[in-house]
Amino acid sequence: KNQVEQSPQSLIILEGKNCTLQCNYTVSPFSNLRWYKQDTGRGPVSLTIMTFSENTKSNGRYTATLDADTKQSSLHITASQLSDSASYICVVSRNRRNNAGNMLTFGGGTRLMVKP
Amino acid sequence: EAQVTQNPRYLITVTGKKLTVTCSQNMNHEYMSWYRQDPGLGLRQIYYSMNVEVTDKGDVPEGYKVSRKEKRNFPLILESPSPNQTSLYFCASSPATTNEKLFFGSGTQLSVL
Repeated sequence: KNQVEQSPQSLIILEGKNCTLQCNYTVSPFSNLRWYKQDTGRGPVSLTIMTFSENTKSNGRYTATLDADTKQSSLHITASQLSDSASYICVVSRNRRNNAGNMLTFGGGTRLMVKP
Repeated sequence: EAQVTQNPRYLITVTGKKLTVTCSQNMNHEYMSWYRQDPGLGLRQIYYSMNVEVTDKGDVPEGYKVSRKEKRNFPLILESPSPNQTSLYFCASSPATTNEKLFFGSGTQLSVL
Protein backbone atom coordinates (compact mmCIF):
# COMPACT_ATOMS: atom_id res chain seq x y z
CA LYS A 1 0.00 0.00 0.00
CA ASN A 2 1.32 3.45 -0.87
CA GLN A 3 1.73 5.41 2.34
CA VAL A 4 3.61 8.40 3.71
CA GLU A 5 4.18 8.56 7.46
CA GLN A 6 5.47 11.66 9.19
CA SER A 7 6.88 12.13 12.66
CA PRO A 8 6.50 13.67 15.07
CA GLN A 9 2.85 14.64 14.72
CA SER A 10 3.54 17.86 16.57
CA LEU A 11 6.59 19.66 17.90
CA ILE A 12 7.21 22.72 20.05
CA ILE A 13 10.61 24.43 19.97
CA LEU A 14 12.05 27.73 21.13
CA GLU A 15 12.86 30.47 18.68
CA GLY A 16 16.41 30.19 17.38
CA LYS A 17 16.64 26.42 17.86
CA ASN A 18 17.02 23.85 15.11
CA CYS A 19 14.69 20.94 14.47
CA THR A 20 14.33 17.95 12.16
CA LEU A 21 11.11 16.48 10.82
CA GLN A 22 10.93 12.92 9.51
CA CYS A 23 9.13 11.31 6.59
CA ASN A 24 9.02 7.58 5.78
CA TYR A 25 7.29 6.30 2.68
CA THR A 26 6.34 3.08 0.94
CA VAL A 27 5.28 4.67 -2.35
CA SER A 28 6.33 2.86 -5.51
CA PRO A 29 7.43 3.44 -8.21
CA PHE A 30 9.06 6.55 -6.80
CA SER A 31 9.17 9.71 -8.90
CA ASN A 32 9.97 12.54 -6.51
CA LEU A 33 9.52 13.74 -2.93
CA ARG A 34 8.27 17.16 -1.95
CA TRP A 35 8.05 19.15 1.26
CA TYR A 36 5.34 21.76 1.68
CA LYS A 37 4.70 24.34 4.39
CA GLN A 38 1.09 25.05 5.27
CA ASP A 39 0.18 28.01 7.44
CA THR A 40 -3.08 27.71 9.36
CA GLY A 41 -6.03 28.40 7.07
CA ARG A 42 -3.87 28.70 3.96
CA GLY A 43 -2.91 26.49 1.06
CA PRO A 44 0.38 24.56 1.15
CA VAL A 45 3.45 26.24 -0.31
CA SER A 46 6.27 24.27 -1.91
CA LEU A 47 9.64 24.21 -0.11
CA THR A 48 11.64 21.58 -2.01
CA ILE A 49 11.30 18.87 -4.66
CA MET A 50 13.83 16.04 -4.83
CA THR A 51 14.20 13.32 -7.42
CA PHE A 52 15.72 9.88 -6.93
CA SER A 53 19.26 11.06 -7.62
CA GLU A 54 19.21 14.00 -5.20
CA ASN A 55 20.36 13.46 -1.61
CA THR A 56 19.89 16.95 -0.29
CA LYS A 57 18.30 20.23 -1.31
CA SER A 58 18.18 23.55 0.51
CA ASN A 59 15.79 26.48 0.45
CA GLY A 60 17.11 29.16 2.78
CA ARG A 61 16.97 27.81 6.34
CA TYR A 62 15.19 24.66 5.16
CA THR A 63 17.28 21.64 4.14
CA ALA A 64 15.67 18.43 2.93
CA THR A 65 17.47 15.10 2.66
CA LEU A 66 16.45 11.96 0.83
CA ASP A 67 17.62 8.38 1.25
CA ALA A 68 15.90 6.49 -1.55
CA ASP A 69 17.33 3.17 -0.35
CA THR A 70 15.70 3.34 3.07
CA LYS A 71 12.77 5.41 1.74
CA GLN A 72 13.28 8.14 4.28
CA SER A 73 13.41 11.90 4.08
CA SER A 74 13.99 14.63 6.62
CA LEU A 75 13.42 18.36 6.72
CA HIS A 76 15.86 20.31 8.86
CA ILE A 77 15.00 23.83 9.95
CA THR A 78 17.89 25.96 11.11
CA ALA A 79 17.66 28.90 13.52
CA SER A 80 13.89 28.71 13.75
CA GLN A 81 11.74 31.83 13.61
CA LEU A 82 8.22 32.49 14.87
CA SER A 83 7.04 32.51 11.24
CA ASP A 84 8.14 28.88 10.89
CA SER A 85 5.09 27.89 12.97
CA ALA A 86 3.05 25.85 10.51
CA SER A 87 2.32 22.32 9.36
CA TYR A 88 4.96 20.67 7.21
CA ILE A 89 3.72 18.12 4.74
CA CYS A 90 5.76 15.43 3.02
CA VAL A 91 4.42 14.40 -0.39
CA VAL A 92 5.68 11.49 -2.48
CA SER A 93 4.97 11.27 -6.20
CA ARG A 94 4.72 8.07 -8.21
CA ASN A 95 4.16 7.54 -11.92
CA ARG A 96 0.73 6.54 -13.08
CA ARG A 97 0.33 3.71 -15.52
CA ASN A 98 0.37 4.52 -19.23
CA ASN A 99 2.42 7.63 -18.49
CA ALA A 100 -0.76 9.42 -17.42
CA GLY A 101 1.00 11.85 -15.10
CA ASN A 102 1.94 11.48 -11.47
CA MET A 103 -0.03 10.38 -8.41
CA LEU A 104 0.69 12.23 -5.18
CA THR A 105 0.47 10.64 -1.73
CA PHE A 106 0.39 13.12 1.13
CA GLY A 107 1.64 12.57 4.64
CA GLY A 108 -0.47 13.69 7.59
CA GLY A 109 1.93 16.52 8.37
CA THR A 110 3.96 17.67 11.36
CA ARG A 111 2.56 20.66 13.22
CA LEU A 112 5.45 22.86 14.36
CA MET A 113 5.07 25.60 16.91
CA VAL A 114 7.95 28.00 17.52
CA LYS A 115 7.73 29.85 20.81
CA PRO A 116 9.54 33.06 21.75
CA GLU B 1 0.36 38.27 -9.53
CA ALA B 2 0.55 34.54 -10.28
CA GLN B 3 -2.08 32.76 -8.25
CA VAL B 4 -4.77 30.13 -7.89
CA THR B 5 -8.09 31.65 -6.87
CA GLN B 6 -10.85 29.70 -5.20
CA ASN B 7 -14.32 30.90 -4.37
CA PRO B 8 -16.02 31.00 -2.01
CA ARG B 9 -13.67 30.97 0.96
CA TYR B 10 -16.39 29.69 3.29
CA LEU B 11 -19.65 27.95 2.43
CA ILE B 12 -22.44 26.55 4.57
CA THR B 13 -25.15 24.58 2.82
CA VAL B 14 -27.77 21.90 3.44
CA THR B 15 -27.86 18.29 2.36
CA GLY B 16 -28.88 17.82 -1.26
CA LYS B 17 -28.52 21.40 -2.46
CA LYS B 18 -26.21 21.47 -5.50
CA LEU B 19 -23.17 23.70 -5.22
CA THR B 20 -20.10 24.65 -7.24
CA VAL B 21 -16.71 25.73 -5.94
CA THR B 22 -14.79 27.68 -8.55
CA CYS B 23 -11.05 27.53 -9.19
CA SER B 24 -9.11 29.71 -11.58
CA GLN B 25 -5.38 30.04 -12.29
CA ASN B 26 -3.59 32.77 -14.26
CA MET B 27 -0.32 30.93 -14.91
CA ASN B 28 -1.33 29.05 -18.06
CA HIS B 29 -0.80 25.77 -16.22
CA GLU B 30 -1.84 22.55 -17.91
CA TYR B 31 -2.39 20.50 -14.75
CA MET B 32 -5.09 21.26 -12.20
CA SER B 33 -6.45 19.19 -9.32
CA TRP B 34 -8.79 19.22 -6.35
CA TYR B 35 -8.02 17.96 -2.84
CA ARG B 36 -9.87 17.66 0.40
CA GLN B 37 -8.20 17.95 3.80
CA ASP B 38 -9.74 16.45 6.90
CA PRO B 39 -8.44 16.49 10.50
CA GLY B 40 -6.02 13.63 11.11
CA LEU B 41 -5.81 12.77 7.42
CA GLY B 42 -3.45 13.99 4.76
CA LEU B 43 -4.64 15.82 1.69
CA ARG B 44 -6.53 13.45 -0.59
CA GLN B 45 -6.98 13.98 -4.28
CA ILE B 46 -10.54 14.15 -5.61
CA TYR B 47 -10.09 14.76 -9.34
CA TYR B 48 -7.35 16.02 -11.58
CA SER B 49 -7.04 17.36 -15.11
CA MET B 50 -3.96 17.13 -17.30
CA ASN B 51 -5.33 19.54 -19.90
CA VAL B 52 -8.49 20.99 -21.37
CA GLU B 53 -11.28 18.42 -21.69
CA VAL B 54 -9.10 15.80 -19.93
CA THR B 55 -10.17 14.86 -16.41
CA ASP B 56 -9.68 11.77 -14.27
CA LYS B 57 -10.52 10.43 -10.84
CA GLY B 58 -8.21 10.74 -7.87
CA ASP B 59 -8.41 8.82 -4.60
CA VAL B 60 -11.84 10.00 -3.38
CA PRO B 61 -14.00 11.02 -6.39
CA GLU B 62 -17.36 9.74 -5.14
CA GLY B 63 -19.96 12.49 -4.85
CA TYR B 64 -17.99 15.00 -6.92
CA LYS B 65 -17.86 16.14 -10.53
CA VAL B 66 -15.45 18.41 -12.35
CA SER B 67 -15.13 19.99 -15.77
CA ARG B 68 -12.24 21.56 -17.71
CA LYS B 69 -13.74 23.51 -20.59
CA GLU B 70 -11.04 26.18 -20.42
CA LYS B 71 -7.41 25.95 -19.40
CA ARG B 72 -7.70 28.44 -16.55
CA ASN B 73 -10.86 27.14 -14.84
CA PHE B 74 -11.52 23.87 -13.01
CA PRO B 75 -14.76 23.99 -11.02
CA LEU B 76 -15.69 21.36 -8.44
CA ILE B 77 -19.36 20.38 -8.44
CA LEU B 78 -21.26 18.67 -5.65
CA GLU B 79 -24.56 17.57 -7.18
CA SER B 80 -26.12 16.43 -3.91
CA PRO B 81 -23.88 17.34 -0.97
CA SER B 82 -23.91 15.19 2.14
CA PRO B 83 -22.54 15.88 5.65
CA ASN B 84 -19.52 13.60 5.04
CA GLN B 85 -18.40 16.10 2.42
CA THR B 86 -17.86 18.71 5.10
CA SER B 87 -14.19 19.45 4.66
CA LEU B 88 -11.51 21.94 3.65
CA TYR B 89 -11.03 21.90 -0.10
CA PHE B 90 -7.98 23.00 -2.05
CA CYS B 91 -7.49 23.55 -5.74
CA ALA B 92 -3.97 23.35 -7.14
CA SER B 93 -2.21 23.77 -10.47
CA SER B 94 1.21 23.14 -12.00
CA PRO B 95 2.82 23.50 -15.44
CA ALA B 96 3.00 19.72 -15.77
CA THR B 97 2.75 16.71 -13.50
CA THR B 98 6.25 15.36 -13.18
CA ASN B 99 8.78 17.42 -11.22
CA GLU B 100 6.89 20.67 -11.14
CA LYS B 101 5.73 22.13 -7.87
CA LEU B 102 2.04 22.58 -7.18
CA PHE B 103 0.55 26.00 -6.55
CA PHE B 104 -2.37 25.83 -4.14
CA GLY B 105 -5.35 28.10 -3.69
CA SER B 106 -6.29 29.48 -0.26
CA GLY B 107 -8.91 26.84 0.36
CA THR B 108 -12.70 26.59 0.69
CA GLN B 109 -14.13 25.53 4.03
CA LEU B 110 -17.39 23.72 3.28
CA SER B 111 -19.96 22.72 5.88
CA VAL B 112 -22.91 20.55 4.86
CA LEU B 113 -25.69 20.48 7.43
